[in-house]
Amino acid sequence: DAGVIQSPRHEVTEMGQEVTLRCKLISGHNSLFWYRQTMMRGLELLIYFNNNVPIDDSGMPEDRFSAKMPNASFSTLKIQPSEPRDSAVYFCASSPHERLAQARTDTQYFGPGTRLTVL
Amino acid sequence: RKEVEQDPGPFNVPEGATVAFNCTYSNSASQSFFWYRQDCRKEPKLLMSVYSSGNEDGRFTAQLNRASQYISLLIRDSKLSDSATYLCVVNLRSSGNTGKLIFGQGTTLQVKP
Repeated sequence: DAGVIQSPRHEVTEMGQEVTLRCKLISGHNSLFWYRQTMMRGLELLIYFNNNVPIDDSGMPEDRFSAKMPNASFSTLKIQPSEPRDSAVYFCASSPHERLAQARTDTQYFGPGTRLTVL
Repeated sequence: RKEVEQDPGPFNVPEGATVAFNCTYSNSASQSFFWYRQDCRKEPKLLMSVYSSGNEDGRFTAQLNRASQYISLLIRDSKLSDSATYLCVVNLRSSGNTGKLIFGQGTTLQVKP
C-alpha cells in the first residue's frame, strides 16, 4: 500500500509568488496534518483535519496560509504571497480511522515532505 | 516553556555503547506518548509508543513517568544505523478527535565506528 504522497518534492520560487503544496492520504485514513520544519523552530503543526473538517488551525502563521481538504483523500496547502521566511520543509501526515482493525488513531504516518525555498 | 523539551545533543557514542535520551512535557493532560526517529533529510517515522508500564522493542526500551512528566528512551548495543534524530512526542487528545501530536526539538545521535 502506498504511503502518504506529497508533491512537489522540491519547490523554488520567488518572493510574492503563490505556492501550492499537495498531499494524498493513505487509503482508509481520515485525519490529515500539515507540519512545517525548520532548524530554528523544529517541527510545528500548522493545521489538522478530521473527516475533511478543519479541527485546529491555530498553528497557521497568518492569512497568507490556507489549507483545504476538498475530498477524503486529498489536501492542499497554499501560501499566497510567499515570503523568504516561509522557506522550510512542509510535511503532510495522516492517521487511520478507528474502524481500521488494530488501528492506533493517534499514530501518524508522514509523507516525504516538500522542500520549499522562497528567494 | 516549551511543551516538550529535549536535550538537542549531539550525543556522540561508539558502536556497542548504551545511550539514553530524556524528555519532559509540560501538559499533564497529555494522553499518549511516542518516540519518532528522523534520518537526515527524511520524514519522521514512528519508532515506538511509550506505555506507562514501560516497554521494550529489541534493543530499545521506553519508559514513562507520569508523576514527573518524563519520558526516556534507552538504546543498547548501539549500531551505526542508529545515527539519527530522535523526537519525543506527546498527544493532546481532544474529545472525539484524533488529537494533535506535539513534537520535541529532537536529540541527535551519532554512532561512531
